[in-house]
Amino acid sequence: SQQGEEDPQALSIQEGENATMNCSYKTSINNLQWYRQNSGRGLVHLILIRSNEREKHSGRLRVTLDTSKKSSSLLITASRAADTASYFCATDDTQKLVFGQGTRLTINP
Amino acid sequence: GAVVSQHPSRVICKSGTSVKIECRSLDFQATTMFWYRQFPKKSLMLMATSNEGSKATYEQGVEKDKFLINHASLTLSTLTVTSAHPEDSSFYICSAREGSRVGNTIYFGEGSWLTVV
Repeated sequence: SQQGEEDPQALSIQEGENATMNCSYKTSINNLQWYRQNSGRGLVHLILIRSNEREKHSGRLRVTLDTSKKSSSLLITASRAADTASYFCATDDTQKLVFGQGTRLTINP
Repeated sequence: GAVVSQHPSRVICKSGTSVKIECRSLDFQATTMFWYRQFPKKSLMLMATSNEGSKATYEQGVEKDKFLINHASLTLSTLTVTSAHPEDSSFYICSAREGSRVGNTIYFGEGSWLTVV
């Protein structure tokens, strides 16, 4: 099962620019997590935001959560070529972790 | 950080045979493990959730007799693809929740590429 939509599905920007990805979900959640995946590899956990939190920072990452709109955003500031990857949000509803469709981010040097 | 090891990373098997994929939490106890399947350029589809010592909970549309999941210990879960066919070829990823608390981080293995010929 899939939780919902992420947009955009693909994003291509220049190195140094900021990248914003959005995620919407449908059910009640305990927390929402963002992951990164390089092509053909496993997932790397980026950040977890709990349902009672509205914003969280980690290095160049900023995540927001709006439970009233059932949406979250991931902002990557000062992007680098190495940030090129697919990014997924995943919602944890206490029973399972369900992923969004993902955003394929390309950073052009 | 916590590490989840998945083995094998790549496997090729003949059609009709069975193949087992292992998922181990190396430095923490994982009460719950998840198995996902991922098609090229697509997202992860949850196949089943396994809890140590009990039967796995399968998602709708996943054949439990074809994808056997065993979670015999707090550090090991296995996925066995039985009577594999070419359409079972895919990228399979496991993950493990550290401890039993819902808010605990979930860590992922590196994934296993299965090719059925």
